[in-house]
Amino acid sequence: DGGITQSPKYLFRKEGQNVTLSCEQNLNHDAMYWYRQDPGQGLRLIYYSQIVNDFQKGDIAEGYSVSREKKESFPLTVTSAQKNPTAFYLCASSQDPYGRQPQHFGDGTRLSIL
Amino acid sequence: EDQVTQSPEALRLQEGESSSLNCSYTVSGLRGLFWYRQDPGKGPEFLFTLYSAGEEKEKERLKATLTKKESFLHITAPKPEDSATYLCAVQAPMRNAGNMLTFGGGTRLMVKP
Repeated sequence: DGGITQSPKYLFRKEGQNVTLSCEQNLNHDAMYWYRQDPGQGLRLIYYSQIVNDFQKGDIAEGYSVSREKKESFPLTVTSAQKNPTAFYLCASSQDPYGRQPQHFGDGTRLSIL
Repeated sequence: EDQVTQSPEALRLQEGESSSLNCSYTVSGLRGLFWYRQDPGKGPEFLFTLYSAGEEKEKERLKATLTKKESFLHITAPKPEDSATYLCAVQAPMRNAGNMLTFGGGTRLMVKP
């Protein structure tokens, strides 16, 4: 089945630690996105990538980093500079970053502070 | 700045009690409006895309409509399995090309048997 796989489902971070969230898609989509969701709030865009080896900052990129070395993979690193990392992180992809197709989402990673 | 506001924040219905969820938006150059359903601990699941005012889409007990300022998600004779958070998002051209989504805060729907 085609889809987006995020791992792990739950992740705990210690003070001063960087952690990496995995996102893999087998939909052959060009564009991939990372969002953060806090309780009772909408999704906020962290980073997005329209094509391999290229990515752009979203609205809340500070304290996060990404890479896009392969079309199917878009990992997100939450660095120690992100002082409030506790949230639900969602990865999405869409067929064409310039088209009007919907974005499709993975089932998220919940990150908490130890 | 693009803005999306959903109301109410939470809605409790009895099974079979029809109602509507509202999504008001302000955006420059709307490319599309999307409705998603999100279950607890899961990612949003795509429901509908609406592209122009007057357009309507239906799926089972759900019907989405669009005007120039807002969209409604009508739920007819809901069942407990319709309980979820419903998210609305508008798509507009991004400053450096590409179409980005701006999400509302969602409406949490609870349907009691």
